[in-house]
Amino acid sequence: DTGVSQDPRHKITKRGQNVTFRCDPISEHNRLYWYRQTLGQGPEFLTYFQNEAQLEKSRLLSDRFSAERPKGSFSTLEIQRTEQGDSAMYLCASSLGSAGVTGELFFGEGSRLTVL
Amino acid sequence: DAKTTQPPSMDCAEGRAANLPCNHSTISGNEYVYWYRQIHSQGPQYIIHGLKNNETNEMASLIITEDRKSSTLILPHATLRDTAVYYCIVRSSSGSARQLTFGSGTQLTVLP
Repeated sequence: DTGVSQDPRHKITKRGQNVTFRCDPISEHNRLYWYRQTLGQGPEFLTYFQNEAQLEKSRLLSDRFSAERPKGSFSTLEIQRTEQGDSAMYLCASSLGSAGVTGELFFGEGSRLTVL
Repeated sequence: DAKTTQPPSMDCAEGRAANLPCNHSTISGNEYVYWYRQIHSQGPQYIIHGLKNNETNEMASLIITEDRKSSTLILPHATLRDTAVYYCIVRSSSGSARQLTFGSGTQLTVLP
């Protein structure tokens, strides 16, 4: 257990539905990351927060995806109008970083999404 | 961030040392070498990182060549629980490169 928790661990939904994932990082970590991983591939970066500010977004993050970290603690990742291609494991990670330096990332166990 | 090249798979006998190679010929001077591993159905786990000196911790050793174009992760006494995908990642610790860029990694299978 790394201390990063994700909920739900598994989600099955029908195409067109909206889904939301939650991530609770290690409490003192100021940086939070979302990654997506499909079968047989390494994780792909989606977005990154420092405290409550979303500082970077990947081109993978289409306009159907939105992420928030309202109080600089937990974060949510919402996918609207899901498509079968959204089926993947969504991983959250957190780290403690200062200006110019990023510490190691601690990953949660992921939320697996299946879109039927 | 520089790209890395790893073999797709390797086997190792339980109790033996597992030596996982990584090529990163385009690495630049301020880029670190990181290793993470991912056990099936879990999130990636940090193992070790280094800049140019060899590093050792309780999990593994990292050997970086003098020209820094390649490195080797060594698990000194592999156990069945070390079966996982191992990712070698090269990244700068500063600037905007805050995220890790994962490749496909090496699937290490530790055999009984």
